[in-house]
Amino acid sequence: NAGVTQTPKFQVLKTGQSMTLQCAQDMNHNSMYWYRQDPGMGLRLIYYSASEGTTDKGEVPNGYNVSRLNKREFSLRLESAAPSQTSVYFCASSVGIASGAQETQYFGPGTRLLVL
Amino acid sequence: AQKITQTQPGMFVQEKEAVTLDCTYDTSDPSYGLFWYKQPSSGEMIFLIYQGSYDQQNATEGRYSLNFQKARKSANLVISASQLGDSAMYFCAMSYYNTDKLIFGTGTRLQVFP
Repeated sequence: NAGVTQTPKFQVLKTGQSMTLQCAQDMNHNSMYWYRQDPGMGLRLIYYSASEGTTDKGEVPNGYNVSRLNKREFSLRLESAAPSQTSVYFCASSVGIASGAQETQYFGPGTRLLVL
Repeated sequence: AQKITQTQPGMFVQEKEAVTLDCTYDTSDPSYGLFWYKQPSSGEMIFLIYQGSYDQQNATEGRYSLNFQKARKSANLVISASQLGDSAMYFCAMSYYNTDKLIFGTGTRLQVFP
């Protein structure tokens, strides 16, 4: 099992360009998440999907859109990139039962994005 | 509102010694989970240990244990017999509102020296 995979690993964009970050999991998890990590600020939730076909905003959703394509895949789109979106982006997944240790989220390797 | 606080931006420990990384939390929800993750310099987030709010005993996973003091709202991570490979950032996180969503602290950078 690959766990959670993310593509690309690195990306450089110019201000105003768009791009989509891809995430896939092979653990048959129901819930998937997108976080961004900035220096000194820990991880902040951008969007999450509790199940296929549903998405909800997290703490910092502005400037992003998401698509839960199917149970395995959850993509994050930047429609018009801004320098403030320079960050490391992590995708994660969990069983989704919201019960005890099954709440544990498992993370992908991250995508480093630089917006010039 | 839920909040996680990690007050130690950096910690040093000598190899083979034990170290405690502090985490305090704030929530009015009686049902929550507490998690610790490790982030080595390579960048991935590695799950270490979980403690549920109703668990009577402190969680342990190998050299990791979670010192859970519910009344004080603290969930400190104890690493016994530190190894050089333990050098990393460590994040405390909490689930809330009986959901799978997590909020994270700002992390503690642990450096293990020989």
